[in-house]
Amino acid sequence: GDSVTQTEGLVTLTKGLPVMLNCTYQTTYSPFLFWYVQHLNEAPKLLLKSSTDNKRTEHQGFYATLHKSSSSFHLQKSSVQLSDSALYFCALGTGGYKVVFGSGTRLLVSP
Amino acid sequence: NSKVIQTPRYLVKGQGQKAKMRCIPEKGHPVVFWYQQNKNNEFKFLINFQNQEVLQQIDMTEKRFSAECPSNSPCSLEIQSSEAGDSALYLCASSPGAGGRQNTLYFGAGTRLSVL
Repeated sequence: GDSVTQTEGLVTLTKGLPVMLNCTYQTTYSPFLFWYVQHLNEAPKLLLKSSTDNKRTEHQGFYATLHKSSSSFHLQKSSVQLSDSALYFCALGTGGYKVVFGSGTRLLVSP
Repeated sequence: NSKVIQTPRYLVKGQGQKAKMRCIPEKGHPVVFWYQQNKNNEFKFLINFQNQEVLQQIDMTEKRFSAECPSNSPCSLEIQSSEAGDSALYLCASSPGAGGRQNTLYFGAGTRLSVL
């Protein structure tokens, strides 16, 4: 069935360093991938999305490239800020509007 | 700020009690979802609707959970007989619908249910 795998449960970094959060997927459909971010006690919200192979998508300093050959959609940022501390979820659009979420990665940025 | 409104924010129930939560989707969004987010922050899909009709639901939802999205009224999710394992954050999301799998979900802040 359709699934999303995020390998890191927790990533801790110092402000200003680069980050990459891993996301791989399995699907029988043509893939449509999302990254959602959830700050503490807030609603999850869309960070970026893509269905185009090998095209970089960017928003708010974060970027990701869908690679169908490796079934990956890793999230990256060149320099993390304290305000980037949050939960990050990779998600996959499947049939009937259903969206399958990965287990999430908590990013903690320290001063 | 989210335009999907969920009430109440917090709900405390005893085991065996009914628990009911409501969601007003974003205006113009015909597709509504309910997800359960557990203490490990994992999302579990429960049910989704399109214009009051159920699209998909999991087995658990069929047995103890009931949900509806009547026209001109808030959507609701009700647990008939709460269990300790139901303690979680219940997230409602709505979507514009057009475009199928590429639809962005717009989430509410959730109802946090604690079953004592």
